[in-house]
Amino acid sequence: GQNIDQPTEMTATEGAIVQINCTYQTSGFNGLFWYQQHAGEAPTFLSYNVLDGLEEKGRFSSFLSRSKGYSYLLLKELQMKDSASYLCAVRSLSGGYNKLIFGAGTRLAVHP
Amino acid sequence: EAQVTQNPRYLITVTGKKLTVTCSQNMNHEYMSWYRQDPGLGLRQIYYSMNVEVTDKGDVPEGYKVSRKEKRNFPLILESPSPNQTSLYFCASSSSGRAISYNEQFFGPGTRLTVL
Repeated sequence: GQNIDQPTEMTATEGAIVQINCTYQTSGFNGLFWYQQHAGEAPTFLSYNVLDGLEEKGRFSSFLSRSKGYSYLLLKELQMKDSASYLCAVRSLSGGYNKLIFGAGTRLAVHP
Repeated sequence: EAQVTQNPRYLITVTGKKLTVTCSQNMNHEYMSWYRQDPGLGLRQIYYSMNVEVTDKGDVPEGYKVSRKEKRNFPLILESPSPNQTSLYFCASSSSGRAISYNEQFFGPGTRLTVL
């Protein structure tokens, strides 16, 4: 079957660095996305990895290891506005169609 | 402005009263999808559409219907809503459902539905 695991909740301090892990089991792997979602709002795209390695985008970086079924999202210089849920989503290609499978999300609370 | 719109944003209804949640995108996207989001379960796909007149079931289609008569619109229909359909619903679109390259999904603002 297809499965995505990520921690339910994390807390961190303003200005610090936090790493949110995601492990997955899926067939037809065709990329991994990270989305940010503030409470009651729509998910917004943060990053995309399809090859192994690190993708950096300002304060946010995302890493992928396909052989380990593992990804992480790294947030640096945390700000209060980074308090949100972070969704790991795996794209799976099956029957010529790309399906996006979401983890339950990690709720990050940033404290002063 | 490129966007996905949903209406209504909030709806309280009663069991059995048919309702439709509209979704529209202005990006000429081929692929559209409906998700529901419940605490602890993440986003689960209800139905998706690869293009006009092409729709298929996602992971949790029971109790829902969809149609795709035009490229821009993808309404979600609840013929006889029940309390277990109380949830936060998101419509999403992307340029293609078949792309093998980077192809993010854009999400609408969400519809919070309560069925009493």
